[in-house]
Amino acid sequence: DADVTQTPRNRITKTGKRIMLECSQTKGHDRMYWYRQDPGLGLRLIYYSFDVKDINKGEISDGYSVSRQAQAKFSLSLESAIPNQTALYFCATSSSQSGSVQTQYFGPGTRLLVL
Amino acid sequence: GQNIDQPTEMTATEGAIVQINCTYQTSGFNGLFWYQQHAGEAPTFLSYNVLDGLEEKGRFSSFLSRSKGYSYLLLKELQMKDSASYLCAVRGSYSGAGSYQLTFGKGTKLSVIP
Repeated sequence: DADVTQTPRNRITKTGKRIMLECSQTKGHDRMYWYRQDPGLGLRLIYYSFDVKDINKGEISDGYSVSRQAQAKFSLSLESAIPNQTALYFCATSSSQSGSVQTQYFGPGTRLLVL
Repeated sequence: GQNIDQPTEMTATEGAIVQINCTYQTSGFNGLFWYQQHAGEAPTFLSYNVLDGLEEKGRFSSFLSRSKGYSYLLLKELQMKDSASYLCAVRGSYSGAGSYQLTFGKGTKLSVIP
């Protein structure tokens, strides 16, 4: 059973369209993150949330928005998709109760292609 | 700001030992992580170092020197399934509520050959 799930797993969309990527987790973690991964650039943080009422911008938040609907759900939206948002998107979770380590656990990823 | 460097690619032979280095310059340091990522899959946690020294976990070991801003991941008895990218990630500045952001290096793609 997957602890962190992402939907859809693959998506093709056109420039200018609004799309939403969803992340759900059954790990009971309070902290959730959205990253994008591009070849040669590594993983970069888009947004993160420490609890339902907390939203923070990451390194590359322009062009994205998020919603934390519940402790277990964290959605990423592209209001008007553009081709350079083509990437592999990962959701991750961690627990504030896990001591100093606070390891992040990743979902399987969503591969997005913007035409 | 954060700067993390690791080699882009490495090749090693099945059964051998390989060391993947990571150097970092960060504003604050609160731990270093190593993740393994097979092509097209999610990163999975391998190891965590916050104090200087070596942490061993089966075939995998990770070393940290905070004064040198340096870490390495050591993989012993290489297997074909170890072919993957290895990501070094540093937890740096405090970002409120007792937590910290992770900054990832670009990853080292390891190819294990027969």
